[in-house]
Amino acid sequence: KAGVTQTPRYLIKTRGQQVTLSCSPISGHRSVSWYQQTPGQGLQFLFEYFSETQRNKGNFPGRFSGRQFSNSRSEMNVSTLELGDSALYLCASSLADDYGYTFGSGTRLTVV
Amino acid sequence: TQLLEQSPQFLSIQEGENLTVYCNSSSVFSSLQWYRQEPGEGPVLLVTVVTGGEVKKLKRLTFQFGDARKDSSLHITAAQPGDTGLYLCAGARAAGNKLTFGGGTRVLVKP
Repeated sequence: KAGVTQTPRYLIKTRGQQVTLSCSPISGHRSVSWYQQTPGQGLQFLFEYFSETQRNKGNFPGRFSGRQFSNSRSEMNVSTLELGDSALYLCASSLADDYGYTFGSGTRLTVV
Repeated sequence: TQLLEQSPQFLSIQEGENLTVYCNSSSVFSSLQWYRQEPGEGPVLLVTVVTGGEVKKLKRLTFQFGDARKDSSLHITAAQPGDTGLYLCAGARAAGNKLTFGGGTRVLVKP
């Protein structure tokens, strides 16, 4: 079966721009989470959606937002990009609570 | 401050040797997961442990969850170069809650 698909794989943006990243979970998975991974901070939780509702949110500024559609696909948006937003953004889906997560390959965002 | 502390941060060993990675916290977790990540890819789930004192074995990998559900360890027997990667532990406080990741242990197995 298809895994978690994230698009695009690589992205270069300029400071001040905004960006939208997309995630298609494994078919049947209703929970989708987003994480930011940087060398300095490691993996940090952004938010989690379940059946189109944001169920959990991490400690990131309001410039980071997301949504989930009825088909469980999810998008995250970052507005007014800063250099520090350069990171690998990972999406993960899960079949149910306490099941492990399946991660996508991530979107490598570089802000210049 | 990391809620989950992994040690060591880096481990370099020869093929055939054993290794253990530790994941410690002062907090109780309802479940703990171990992942392995290779460069340019997302983490891949190795195991989920949910019961205090639980031990799970996957071929040469042995995972333990502490009795108090605050710590865990990953032991690899007779490591192979294919075991090279970043090992991450992640804990969930409650069902459906966000995962808190440890800082990771980078393992290098030299042939």
